[in-house]
Amino acid sequence: DTAVSQTPKYLVTQMGNDKSIKCEQNLGHDTMYWYKQDSKKFLKIMFSYNNKELIINETVPNRFSPKSPDKAHLNLHINSLELGDSAVYFCASSQAALGRGNEQFFGPGTRLTVL
Amino acid sequence: EDQVTQSPEALRLQEGESSSLNCSYTVSGLRGLFWYRQDPGKGPEFLFTLYSAGEEKEKERLKATLTKKESFLHITAPKPEDSATYLCAVQLYTGANSKLTFGKGITLSVRP
Repeated sequence: DTAVSQTPKYLVTQMGNDKSIKCEQNLGHDTMYWYKQDSKKFLKIMFSYNNKELIINETVPNRFSPKSPDKAHLNLHINSLELGDSAVYFCASSQAALGRGNEQFFGPGTRLTVL
Repeated sequence: EDQVTQSPEALRLQEGESSSLNCSYTVSGLRGLFWYRQDPGKGPEFLFTLYSAGEEKEKERLKATLTKKESFLHITAPKPEDSATYLCAVQLYTGANSKLTFGKGITLSVRP
């Protein structure tokens, strides 16, 4: 059984389009995250939700809007896509946002290519 | 500014040749240090968490250690299947919510 799943795995789109990436975790975790991994493989946090509440919002363009319909799902919607948005986006989850035992478990990633 | 530096950027080993990967950090208020393994085209896979200086954890051929300034991931008698990128990340005591700050990773290649 997949613990953290993302769809789609690959996403190729034109500049200016709007797209969404979906994430689901079946671990019963309270906290979920979105990360961006650029071409140099540098992994950087974008957002974090704890029990559907936004708790971390890094310096990310407001074209990126996360949504958490319930604590098992965290989606990422991107408006007006730009070339620089091309990257691999990872979803992750942890049992809690703080304290011991909050190791993060990652999904397989979504490779976004903006043409 | 808090920083996480991993070295070397890339490491090539012969099968059976033991070595160590370094993760140094310049942060204040370390809550935990995490090691992950990432295979090409996949998400990072959790390996270890270390919380205090002097702590050590082991898993098969891997052993992670922590001091007040750095962490080492020791690989004993590596096999080709240990080839991957190894990421370290620090979690800080900052306010009500803590986040992981990752290093750039070390790409390990083990030749048969």
